[in-house]
Amino acid sequence: EAQVTQNPRYLITVTGKKLTVTCSQNMNHEYMSWYRQDPGLGLRQIYYSMNVEVTDKGDVPEGYKVSRKEKRNFPLILESPSPNQTSLYFCASSLRLAYNEQFFGPGTRLTVL
Amino acid sequence: AQRVTQPEKLLSVFKGAPVELKCNYSYSGSPELFWYVQYSRQRLQLLLRHISRESIKGFTADLNKGETSFHLKKPFAQEEDSAMYYCALGNFGNEKLTFGTGTRLTIIP
Repeated sequence: EAQVTQNPRYLITVTGKKLTVTCSQNMNHEYMSWYRQDPGLGLRQIYYSMNVEVTDKGDVPEGYKVSRKEKRNFPLILESPSPNQTSLYFCASSLRLAYNEQFFGPGTRLTVL
Repeated sequence: AQRVTQPEKLLSVFKGAPVELKCNYSYSGSPELFWYVQYSRQRLQLLLRHISRESIKGFTADLNKGETSFHLKKPFAQEEDSAMYYCALGNFGNEKLTFGTGTRLTIIP
């Protein structure tokens, strides 16, 4: 089944403890991106990648890192999480570009204490 | 900078009544606009895009460049339309995708 998967789906951690949220797609998509969803703020793009080894900042990149070593994977790294990064995170992929249809993952709910 | 504004956080409409979800954008270039929808317990998914000019599930949206709007409309609301709706703007140049803050639509039986 063509889809985007994220792991873990739920995570509770403490301030400063490095974590990685994985994202994988099996549709051979070139474009992948990460969003955070917060009440009243909607979806905000964190980082995006147009292809392997090509990444760029979205609107809210501070405190996050990403890498794109393989086409199918696009992990989101929080080197030193803080409570203001408590949020619902979504990974998405599309065929080539931002204006192609985005396929979203199920979301990862992160709580930083 | 590109920006998308959805002025209504919540919208309640009676079943059978017309629906209009507002979306205004700010962008200096030629915009690519979309509506995404998230039904309860489902993933966010594309509803429609302005370039295809199609009607999906009875919804339509017309790009009005003069008013910089891309409002979503449906003539007769159905209960299954209850969901969270996001307007989004794509940028040809830098490939960023900007979403609005979303409107939660509730259809009253």
